[in-house]
Amino acid sequence: NAGVTQTPKFQVLKTGQSMTLQCAQDMNHNSMYWYRQDPGMGLRLIYYSASEGTTDKGEVPNGYNVSRLNKREFSLRLESAAPSQTSVYFCASSHRGLNTEAFFGQGTRLTVV
Amino acid sequence: EDKVVQSPLSLVVHEGDTVTLNCSYEVTNFRSLLWYKQEKKAPTFLFMLTSSGIEKKSGRLSSILDKKELFSILNITATQTGDSAVYLCAVSGANSKLTFGKGITLSVRP
Repeated sequence: NAGVTQTPKFQVLKTGQSMTLQCAQDMNHNSMYWYRQDPGMGLRLIYYSASEGTTDKGEVPNGYNVSRLNKREFSLRLESAAPSQTSVYFCASSHRGLNTEAFFGQGTRLTVV
Repeated sequence: EDKVVQSPLSLVVHEGDTVTLNCSYEVTNFRSLLWYKQEKKAPTFLFMLTSSGIEKKSGRLSSILDKKELFSILNITATQTGDSAVYLCAVSGANSKLTFGKGITLSVRP
């Protein structure tokens, strides 16, 4: 039972480089989320996708783009990384219709130097 | 904008103490309130509450929701060092948007 799988687990980028964080879930969930977590800040919502084909901005979307490739996959792209984007990133998914809890991936620790 | 406020931000207790963690919220089209525990990795699910006044229990942990006053509490009785963690509260609102608070850091000393 894979659940929510995020790749990579760790990444170091130079300022200005781009990268895509991948997330896939195998639970047939409608809704998917991207969060960043910084010390003392809890989980801040970057973007979410209520269902396949839709995406919406969260609390901190600037500097990020997302793609809901299909029902399983939701990717997060940093076009031009900045040191302020150094953080731990979590992907999550939930079943919108059944109003279940959200399940989380194991996180990606990103450092931008 | 949806908002979740948790208090206190941190607390230190001794083993055997009882603690109460607070979560207040403002959300459009409330669907549910969730509690998670986080220990240096991904958050793990504790409770989901959708109805007022119905207590959810799991061992020494319990939680209740007040939809009129827009808050929830998480109680932990007979605390153990293994309860040391960050406790996160989240609310699910319109369009499945899931908003978290900043978390409460609980330290349980032997």
